[in-house]
Parts: sequence; structure tokens; C-alpha cells
Amino acid sequence: KQEVTQIPAALSVPEGENLVLNCSFTDSAIYNLQWFRQDPGKGLTSLLLIQSSQREQTSGRLNASLDKSSGRSTLYIAASQPGDSATYLCAVPGSARQLTFGSGTQLTVLP
Amino acid sequence: EAGVAQSPRYKIIEKRQSVAFWCNPISGHATLYWYQQILGQGPKLLIQFQNNGVVDDSQLPKDRFSAERLKGVDSTLKIQPAKLEDSAVYLCASLPLGGTPDTQYFGPGTRLTVL
Repeated sequence: KQEVTQIPAALSVPEGENLVLNCSFTDSAIYNLQWFRQDPGKGLTSLLLIQSSQREQTSGRLNASLDKSSGRSTLYIAASQPGDSATYLCAVPGSARQLTFGSGTQLTVLP
Repeated sequence: EAGVAQSPRYKIIEKRQSVAFWCNPISGHATLYWYQQILGQGPKLLIQFQNNGVVDDSQLPKDRFSAERLKGVDSTLKIQPAKLEDSAVYLCASLPLGGTPDTQYFGPGTRLTVL
């Protein structure tokens, strides 16, 4: 059974800092990994999708990497802003077109 | 296109009461998911429908939870009776036929508080 773990559970940084969020998964037989953002009272917004054949995916100040062999992914946020404050979730697909989520990292960027 | 709609957005009930949530997926999406997200955790799949058939309900506490998607369009999730530990956000998501899991569209969720 796939298990997804995210560390840290919470992170608080001053504005402008670069930061890294970590995600690990137990079953490396995945075909992609997805990072989501969740704002309070709102649904999930997909940020980045990395296919298993890729090692990195970038969108603006966000860069996600994937190392299937070690079962790890990282989400790098450059020059953080208060608007980046949210919970970040990683998820991997399983059988029957389902997603298995990590428990998330709650990020607070202080002005 | 309109997104996934859920109602109500918030619900507060006392334990042992009943509650129902409604989800209207994106038009034409064959697959519908209900997730439970407890505070501080990631979403956990409760039930998955393809059209009006159940694909997976292995994590649905069937002694108190039920869900239906009678016409293969909108869906309701019911809890009867509710327990304190059911306090969570209930997310609905939908997926077009043939879509991959990474293209799920999520609704805003219903936040349930059980007192």
C-alpha cells in the first residue's frame, strides 16, 4: 500500500527566503507526482505535475524535482512571498485512478 | 466551464445527528470521488464512482456513512449518526472518462464540525 509522507508539517519563514518542502513515497512504481496548494476554505489547486520520465518541473518561482529510485520529491519555492502562505500537498496516483496524498506542509511566510 | 460545486460549505451538528452533503461534478465527468480531510492530514479517499457505479468504497465506514450517485451526475454523502471524529472537510472531485488521476478537479469542500 502506497504511503506518502511530508516534512516538515509546518514551516514559518520571513518573506524573501528560498525554501524546500519534502515529500517521500514508499512505492516507487509511480508514473507521476503532483504538488497541490490548499488555501483555507478552498479546494485544491494543482501546482506542478512531474511525469516519471522527468526529473524536474518548473512554474514561475516553483520548481519540483522527482527521484523515483529514492522515493522522494521536493518542492522549491524561490523568493517566498506572504501570498505563498498555504498548505502544500503532494500526491501520487494509485490503482483505479485514485490519488494518495501526503499530510501536507503548512507554510507561513511572514511579511 | 463551471467547476465542481459542493453544498453546504459549512455545517455544525451535534454527535449522533445526521448530515448530508451534496456534490455536482463538472458536466460530463464520469468519475466522482469523495475525500475526507481531517485537520492536519491529507485528503483520504472515501468512495469513488464511475457513472452511477461504485469503483472503490473500501475506506468508507459503512456502518455510518453512505453515498449515492443515482443518475450518474450529482452525488450525496450521508453520515448517520455522526461522531466527533467525523469533524473534517469533505472534498468532492471529478474526472472525465479516460482522464488520469492528476486531472481531477476538486470542489471547495464542506467543513463539518461535530460537537
